[in-house]
Amino acid sequence: QSALTQPASVSGSPGQPITISCTGTSGDVGAYNYVAWYQQYPGKPPKLIIYDVTNRPSGVSHRFSGSKSGNTASLTISGLQTEDEADYFCSSYTRDSVPWVFGGGTRLTVL
Amino acid sequence: QVQLVQSGAEVKKPGASVKVSCQASGYPFTDYYIHWLRLAPGHGLEWMGWVYPSTGGTNSPQKFQGRVTMTRDTSISTVYMDLSGLTSDDTAVYYCARDFEYSSSSGYFNNWGQGTLVTVAS
Repeated sequence: QSALTQPASVSGSPGQPITISCTGTSGDVGAYNYVAWYQQYPGKPPKLIIYDVTNRPSGVSHRFSGSKSGNTASLTISGLQTEDEADYFCSSYTRDSVPWVFGGGTRLTVL
Repeated sequence: QVQLVQSGAEVKKPGASVKVSCQASGYPFTDYYIHWLRLAPGHGLEWMGWVYPSTGGTNSPQKFQGRVTMTRDTSISTVYMDLSGLTSDDTAVYYCARDFEYSSSSGYFNNWGQGTLVTVAS
C-alpha cells in the first residue's frame, strides 16, 4: 500500500497531452512543495524529471511539467511521443517518520 | 559522468542476510549523500535510508532500524547496504541513488545504480 495514490495506468495518442495525478494528504503533498516525479523504463532505474513540484533538472524535455493543487500533484506531458511510454512515480516529503514517500506508479501507454 | 555500479543479483533463504554494494565514480565521493531504495513487485518505491560518505553517518526509517546497516569505504568510493532477517516481503530490486543536492539530503535522487534483484525464497 503506497502512501501516495496514483492511477495504475493512463493512455494517450501521439501529440496529445496527458496528465497523471498523485494524491496525498495535508501531511505530505498538501504541506510541502517538495514533490518529485520519476520516469522509469522496464529494466532501467528511475530518472528524476521534476523536483520541487515544478522544476526540471537539466536535460529534461520541456514537454514535462508539474503542478500542485491542495493535496494533489500532477505531471503533464504535452505532445505525447512514443518514447514517453514508461512508468511514472511521484514522491513527496512528509512530516511522518519516513521523510519521503512514493506513489505506486502509473503505467503510461502511448496508443 | 556520474556512475553508480551495483553488485549482482542475489538469491537468499528466509532469515538470511544480504549485502549489496554500490561503487560511485565521476564526482567527489564524499560530497553527496547516497540513498538506498527498493522497488518490490506490485508496490511503489520505498526509501530505506541514507549514508553520508564524508562522515559515515546514516539514517533509516524505523521500519528498517535493527535490520539495515549502511556503511562506506572511501578508499574505493563504495557504499554498502546490509539487510538482515530476510523474508519473502524483502524480494525486490534494490537501488542506490545519489542525492540531487551537494552535501545535503534533499530526498531527490538524480543518479541511480542499475539495481540489484534480491530474491528471498526457501
